[in-house]
Amino acid sequence: KAGVTQTPRYLIKTRGQQVTLSCSPISGHRSVSWYQQTPGQGLQFLFEYFSETQRNKGNFPGRFSGRQFSNSRSEMNVSTLELGDSALYLCASSLGPGKEAEAFFGQGTRLTVV
Amino acid sequence: AQSVTQLGSHVSVSEGALVLLRCNYSSSVPPYLFWYVQYPNQGLQLLLKYTTGATLVKGINGFEAEFKKSETSFHLTKPSAHMSDAAEYFCAVSGAGNQFYFGTGTSLTVIP
Repeated sequence: KAGVTQTPRYLIKTRGQQVTLSCSPISGHRSVSWYQQTPGQGLQFLFEYFSETQRNKGNFPGRFSGRQFSNSRSEMNVSTLELGDSALYLCASSLGPGKEAEAFFGQGTRLTVV
Repeated sequence: AQSVTQLGSHVSVSEGALVLLRCNYSSSVPPYLFWYVQYPNQGLQLLLKYTTGATLVKGINGFEAEFKKSETSFHLTKPSAHMSDAAEYFCAVSGAGNQFYFGTGTSLTVIP
């Protein structure tokens, strides 16, 4: 069974540009969450989608957005990139909406903003 | 509101020694608790989880954790450290909408 797949693995962008990251969840998983990981702030929740609906959103500016498609694949977009957006972006998928469901993480996309 | 606190951002143990990584939680409802491990430039891998039932939870790679409600703790242990255990470890509690609240992480170093 394939795991969570994130593409691309590495990205280098310039300030002011926008970027789109992709996440394919484990087959059958309908919940996809996104996290930002930085050395200073640790793991911070961005948002969660279930059945194409955003159910939960973290405390990030509107430049960060996402969506989920009918096949559960998800994308997140960051517009007007800032240097502080440099981070490892992790996607996680879960079987369902329950709190007991463990999250399975992808390997992440390392975004560097220069 | 849910949160977890990991005591000790860095822990060093000798190979073969006991590993003890500390996690305390705060939750207004019965918590679901998790331990994840992260190797360099990788995502997070689930070690074990506590939802309900037995308070001693066994995970992969010889790790286990005990849920102690009276102490609001969920410490991770392994009887004998191996070089391959060197990694970053995260304790987490799950909240509404599949949101995980992670601790700040503990970096484990294993000394040969």
